[in-house]
Amino acid sequence: DAGVIQSPRHEVTEMGQEVTLRCKPISGHDYLFWYRQTMMRGLELLIYFNNNVPIDDSGMPEDRFSAKMPNASFSTLKIQPSEPRDSAVYFCASSGGGELFFGEGSRLTVL
Amino acid sequence: EDQVTQSPEALRLQEGESSSLNCSYTVSGLRGLFWYRQDPGKGPEFLFTLYSAGEEKEKERLKATLTKKESFLHITAPKPEDSATYLCAVRPSGGYNKLIFGAGTRLAVHP
Repeated sequence: DAGVIQSPRHEVTEMGQEVTLRCKPISGHDYLFWYRQTMMRGLELLIYFNNNVPIDDSGMPEDRFSAKMPNASFSTLKIQPSEPRDSAVYFCASSGGGELFFGEGSRLTVL
Repeated sequence: EDQVTQSPEALRLQEGESSSLNCSYTVSGLRGLFWYRQDPGKGPEFLFTLYSAGEEKEKERLKATLTKKESFLHITAPKPEDSATYLCAVRPSGGYNKLIFGAGTRLAVHP
């Protein structure tokens, strides 16, 4: 298996623009997680899905953030409009119920 | 509130100099404690899961142990390639499978 695949790996955008991050989980995993990592706050859980259904979105910072999982092999995290404080590395992870397997991350820079 | 605290924040070792990293936690029922390794620019990589006090797991130069309040990651005779950030995470009870991460320990092993 290729592991968890995220795109883009790097994104530089200007404040106010829409950003969409994408994730393909490991086939057969029924949990998908979105985390954000910064130097100040470490790894924070934003939202996670079980069988494509959002279970806990209490970590989503505000209404500018939204996540979808239309099917078992694809998820998106959207930020609209983006702000400089959204600059971070966003990780997607999937799990079959045990440990989490992480992607390589999407580094977002909002100017 | 579920919380994970790791110490020290950073650790510098000479090659061959053994040491331990600490992870203390408060959680509403523990359904697993996880150790991950993260290299710069990469996603966290799974190392170990521990489920009950007294449990130990080993992998090459690493050994993880668990008590009711904390976990230790012992590194024996480290090599420069062991340099990375080591992350500890807990899975609280209450259903589903999210992980709550600590801030990590940055380990540097010098030849």
